[in-house]
Amino acid sequence: IQLTQSPSSLSASVGDKVTITCQASQDIRKSLSWYQQKPGKAPKVLMYDALNLETGVPSRFSGSGSGTDFTFTISSLQPEDIATYYCHQYDKLPLTFGGGTKVEIK
Amino acid sequence: QVQLVESGGSVVQPGGSLRLSCTASGLTFTNFGIHWVRQSPGRGLEWVAVISHDGINKNYADSVRGRFTISRDNSQNTLYLQMNSLGAEDTAVYYCARDAKYYRRGWNYYYFYMDVWGTGTTVTVSS
Repeated sequence: IQLTQSPSSLSASVGDKVTITCQASQDIRKSLSWYQQKPGKAPKVLMYDALNLETGVPSRFSGSGSGTDFTFTISSLQPEDIATYYCHQYDKLPLTFGGGTKVEIK
Repeated sequence: QVQLVESGGSVVQPGGSLRLSCTASGLTFTNFGIHWVRQSPGRGLEWVAVISHDGINKNYADSVRGRFTISRDNSQNTLYLQMNSLGAEDTAVYYCARDAKYYRRGWNYYYFYMDVWGTGTTVTVSS
């Protein structure tokens, strides 16, 4: 299953709302998670089952969607949110990741 | 706290072999399915393989099937990745990661997302 993420990069100001989309090549129900990866660090899970926030993750992060179209939102961008974000499907093996979205501060 | 620590990464010649290890602590290792995920320099994440809690069920990405073997020693809380016939395309940081919701029902095994990751170990394939 291919995951197409867009945009591949974006630049936004602190406080802005940021939206990333992830489109699956076939129906994956709600079997999608979102990861944040900072340079030189391992990925960290933020969302699972498309819309559930992982324990301890700030509520400014949210997710939505089902089937083939998904959205990840940062409601108010903070300086510590600078990272690359990946979607990941686990509906079917082989597991796959999107290509990533690099988020920068304008 | 739950911790995964990879080791075994190094520089290896094309066609060579390498075995990576991932040692777990702070969790009941035998309860979890564990994945290997890699990231090539400047590239995205690529799922490599996963193994069930009991070591019976194993699944691989097409890019490594037949060359890599995932295994585990539950008595040592350790996961392994044996990598053979290495090529430049295998150059990457390799992470082990715990499956967050893995379970088995009968002879079916179910895998999900990864909630705990190691810090990674670097494999460089170069002559």
